[in-house]
Amino acid sequence: AQKVTQAQTEISVVEKEDVTLDCVYETRDTTYYLFWYKQPPSGELVFLIRRNSFDEQNEISGRYSWNFQKSTSSFNFTITASQVVDSAVYFCALRPHSGGSNYKLTFGKGTLLTVNP
Amino acid sequence: DTGVSQDPRHKITKRGQNVTFRCDPISEHNRLYWYRQTLGQGPEFLTYFQNEAQLEKSRLLSDRFSAERPKGSFSTLEIQRTEQGDSAMYLCASREGNSYEQYFGPGTRLTVT
Repeated sequence: AQKVTQAQTEISVVEKEDVTLDCVYETRDTTYYLFWYKQPPSGELVFLIRRNSFDEQNEISGRYSWNFQKSTSSFNFTITASQVVDSAVYFCALRPHSGGSNYKLTFGKGTLLTVNP
Repeated sequence: DTGVSQDPRHKITKRGQNVTFRCDPISEHNRLYWYRQTLGQGPEFLTYFQNEAQLEKSRLLSDRFSAERPKGSFSTLEIQRTEQGDSAMYLCASREGNSYEQYFGPGTRLTVT
């Protein structure tokens, strides 16, 4: 069975602060993929990043960075110099690498990030 | 490419009524997924199509739920005899066969009164 835990239900920061969203996962698969999605108030899930379990290099994209640590089963997401437009619910998700072609996603419960001006 | 679209965006219905939702995936995407998201939760997988074939259904999909993708393009999700517990956001996602990412539509928010 697969499980994704996002322990932080809500985070509130002031604009320009850095913020880290935590994600811890459980899986018996040896290879898998991890994802982060953003869900703004409009409701549509927006894909942010995909990470392969066999690639532990951290990644930076503009103000976003991701820290993948297989040893602790964590895939944390940091927003540097947060902006009001970053306010949204952020979901971490897990998918097996193989084991059938459906590739359904298992999501965490999400973290509501509020960035105040 | 206009993205995944869903119709309607909002639906209010009385308990016991039947409802049907539609999803139009990105045109070249042959994989299609339905998820359900309740308040304060992440999306939960309901069912999966590869072309017109429904290849997996979650235990969440009771006998009152049925999904189709008749020509391998758009898909419909029908809920019969709706219950208050069916109130949720119903999300559709699609992907290309060799792609890893699923692209989500805006969802249909169902309220059962």
